[in-house]
Amino acid sequence: NAGVTQTPKFQVLKTGQSMTLQCAQDMNHNSMYWYRQDPGMGLRLIYYSASEGTTDKGEVPNGYNVSRLNKREFSLRLESAAPSQTSVYFCASSDRAANEKLFFGSGTQLSVL
Amino acid sequence: EDQVTQSPEALRLQEGESSSLNCSYTVSGLRGLFWYRQDPGKGPEFLFTLYSAGEEKEKERLKATLTKKESFLHITAPKPEDSATYLCAVRAFMNYGGSQGNLIFGKGTKLSVKP
Repeated sequence: NAGVTQTPKFQVLKTGQSMTLQCAQDMNHNSMYWYRQDPGMGLRLIYYSASEGTTDKGEVPNGYNVSRLNKREFSLRLESAAPSQTSVYFCASSDRAANEKLFFGSGTQLSVL
Repeated sequence: EDQVTQSPEALRLQEGESSSLNCSYTVSGLRGLFWYRQDPGKGPEFLFTLYSAGEEKEKERLKATLTKKESFLHITAPKPEDSATYLCAVRAFMNYGGSQGNLIFGKGTKLSVKP
């Protein structure tokens, strides 16, 4: 049982480059989320998708875009990476938006130089 | 402003030495308090949900309790495999873009249990 799979696990970008973080879940969950985790700070929500076909901004959406490709997949795109986006990114899913039990992927460590 | 504060930031225990982690919160309308465990290099793993003051949940050596202002995660006779960062999160009556409230996470308590 794979759960939530994120790719890549590590990535180094130069300022201004773009990239897409991929996330897929195999639990038939309706809701998916993107969080970032920085040293000394709690997990912060970037974007979420309550159900297939919908996306909404979270606490820190600036500089990011998302796509809910289908029920399984939710991608996060950095159009023009900045050093402030250096972080560990986690994708998560839950069976519905109000469900407290989030299942997290293992994260993507991103460095922007 | 809704806030979640965890203390201590780090805690070192000897195997078998019981202790408690604290999560204090200020939110406008609590809809649930959640505990997660995070191992190094991995994503958080769900432990408990508490909804109302006085509620308690247990799992192996862990017991979570909730009051109107804080939650405690009690660890009884810990083992080295309990070493991890423990995250507290709350769901409040807040929304981003008109949808249901999302989780506010604390910074975590890093627990180390030495044999």
